[in-house]
Amino acid sequence: NAGVMQNPRHLVRRRGQEARLRCSPMKGHSHVYWYRQLPEEGLKFMVYLQKENIIDESGMPKERFSAEFPKEGPSILRIQQVVRGDSAAYFCASSQGRNQPQHFGDGTRLSIL
Amino acid sequence: QKEVEQDPGPLSVPEGAIVSLNCTYSNSAFQYFMWYRQYSRKGPELLMYTYSSGNKEDGRFTAQVDKSSKYISLFIRDSQPSDSATYLCAMSENSGGSNYKLTFGKGTLLTVNP
Repeated sequence: NAGVMQNPRHLVRRRGQEARLRCSPMKGHSHVYWYRQLPEEGLKFMVYLQKENIIDESGMPKERFSAEFPKEGPSILRIQQVVRGDSAAYFCASSQGRNQPQHFGDGTRLSIL
Repeated sequence: QKEVEQDPGPLSVPEGAIVSLNCTYSNSAFQYFMWYRQYSRKGPELLMYTYSSGNKEDGRFTAQVDKSSKYISLFIRDSQPSDSATYLCAMSENSGGSNYKLTFGKGTLLTVNP
C-alpha cells in the first residue's frame, strides 16, 4: 500500500497522559499536513511540515501540542497532558510539493477517558 | 458566518439518479477548490481539484465553480450504491504563492439506494 499510513488507528488515553500519533507520507512525498476533525465539525488545519522543518503551525493550539518530521522516520504529532476536549479524529495528509493536491491517511481516532 | 457552508444532509437518492452537492463560501480569496469523498471510518479521498471558475469533468463526476456567487457544486451522474459516503468540499487561497491550507465544509452524507 503506497498511501499515507497513520498509526495507531485508535488510541485511548486517560486525562493527563501523552498521545503520540504517527504518519508516514506517500512514497515520493516530502510535505506533511495534520488536520483535526472534532465531532460534528469539519477538518481543521493544524500544521504543515517538510523534512526537519515546521513551515506553518498557525492551526496548532499554543500549549501541549507539538509536531515534528525528522530526517528519518514518520511525522509525529504529540499531545501532552491530554484533556477530554482533545478527543477527535486526527488526519495526516501528504503532497509532492507545497501547492500539489493533498492525499489523506485514514486517521487516528483519539479517545480520552 | 462560517467560511465554508455545506448542507450536512442526509441526502438519499435512488440508484441511477443525478446527485447535486453544493458549498457556499464567504472568503473571496479562495481560488483552489476540491471535493473529497470520505467513507465511514476512512480518510478523505480526493475526487476533484479545480482552480478558479469553470467546470471540470472526470467520468461520472463534474465539478463547477462560480466565484462570482461564491458557490461550488459537485454533480454525480448515474449514481451507484458505492457512491454512498460523506462528500467534503475544501478550498484554499493563493497566499504568497502557497495554497496548502485547506478549509473544509462539514460534509454532506449521501446514500444511494439500490
